[in-house]
Amino acid sequence: QVMLVQSGAEVKKPGASVKVSCKTSGYAFTSYDINWVRQATGRGLEWMGWMNPNMENTGYAQKFQGRVSITADTSINTAYMELTSLRSDDTAVYYCARVIAGTGFDFWGQGTVVTVSS
Amino acid sequence: SYELTQPPSVSVSPGQTATITCSGDKLGDKYVHWYQQQSGQSPVLVIYQDTERPSGIPERFSGSNSGNTATLTVSGTQAVDEADYYCQAWDSGSWVFGGGTKLTVL
Repeated sequence: QVMLVQSGAEVKKPGASVKVSCKTSGYAFTSYDINWVRQATGRGLEWMGWMNPNMENTGYAQKFQGRVSITADTSINTAYMELTSLRSDDTAVYYCARVIAGTGFDFWGQGTVVTVSS
Repeated sequence: SYELTQPPSVSVSPGQTATITCSGDKLGDKYVHWYQQQSGQSPVLVIYQDTERPSGIPERFSGSNSGNTATLTVSGTQAVDEADYYCQAWDSGSWVFGGGTKLTVL
């Protein structure tokens, strides 16, 4: 079955970076885009960016341009999201999700809690 | 940037029909997807491409999209449907989510 399993919770200090992984299984990794979405406590879903693991194309939300990087290792079917220059308002649950053209995000990871605190 | 607007909350009695709207400029020209998020859980896709239900999603969930408004309808609402619902669309190289609607089953 399709699974997206994310890395564990992180606690970081302001100004640091965090890298979250999303290990996939049960489908052809390069056939679907991977997206990253975050959600602060009590807030809505916020799209951060996407990557096509096959073409290595990426796209990022304007808000995160220059601070976020989405990469993939096709040899282990894993995607990564790195966010730099962390601030307290980056504290959130970060999700990965897959999508194929024209459809919605049909499978999601379980979420990774990132806490930014001094 | 493109915006999707949802009502913050909708209330419905068990067994009745709940309607959640999502508004955006010329939204009917785009595909709209809907997600259900239970408290503390990852979102679940309940409607894609305006009207399609993924496998395993109950038939009581349906969708439409025309003009500037997309609608998620939950017929015969059950207590288990109480959750946050988000609409989503693709615009100019970015995914956009609505602000979310809390569906309360009274």
